[in-house]
Amino acid sequence: QQQVKQSPQSLIVQKGGISIINCAYENTAFDYFPWYQQFPGKGPALLIAIRPDVSEKKEGRFTISFNKSAKQFSLHIMDSQPGDSATYFCAALGGSNYKLTFGKGTLLTVNP
Amino acid sequence: EAGVVQSPRYKIIEKKQPVAFWCNPISGHNTLYWYLQNLGQGPELLIRYENEEAVDDSQLPKDRFSAERLKGVDSTLKIQPAELGDSAVYLCASSQAGVTADTQYFGPGTRLTVL
Repeated sequence: QQQVKQSPQSLIVQKGGISIINCAYENTAFDYFPWYQQFPGKGPALLIAIRPDVSEKKEGRFTISFNKSAKQFSLHIMDSQPGDSATYFCAALGGSNYKLTFGKGTLLTVNP
Repeated sequence: EAGVVQSPRYKIIEKKQPVAFWCNPISGHNTLYWYLQNLGQGPELLIRYENEEAVDDSQLPKDRFSAERLKGVDSTLKIQPAELGDSAVYLCASSQAGVTADTQYFGPGTRLTVL
């Protein structure tokens, strides 16, 4: 059972464009929703995170939009740069065993 | 502040051989995690430690995998014997206790290739 579904699997954006990655979850006990960025050969690094008591969180060019009723959340990367090219994972934390459940990842390529 | 340290970074072994991975978490982080990351997939939790106690090892294949966290700091993950399907990246992560406990910091991982 895949508890966090992420789309698209891959995304190509032009420099300066907006990158949008979507995730949907099933377990209403989740109460923390981070996004991780991973470069080849590196471990995932926390990018931004949100809790379900707010609908949006912005940090620089990165914004999370959260829709609790739809059980969906998304990452928006404004003014995308080639250096943003990486794999992005959404995740959700909570539930009876309180473990971090990841989506399958989105490979973002930003063309110069 | 030093991040999570893992070694070795790469390991190539033949099937049926044993292998061990080492992790040193961020100083002061009480919680330590081992994850498995297959190619093109998100990390999957293998085991979680609170100090030296394994509080969630439900996803650890205990017939061949073992882990320990002596003294509640460093940790070792072992596979014996390794199988071809164990080829993956093994990630270690750590987090603090308290209000920032939800933020997990990952190490660079150990890429295991089983031939």
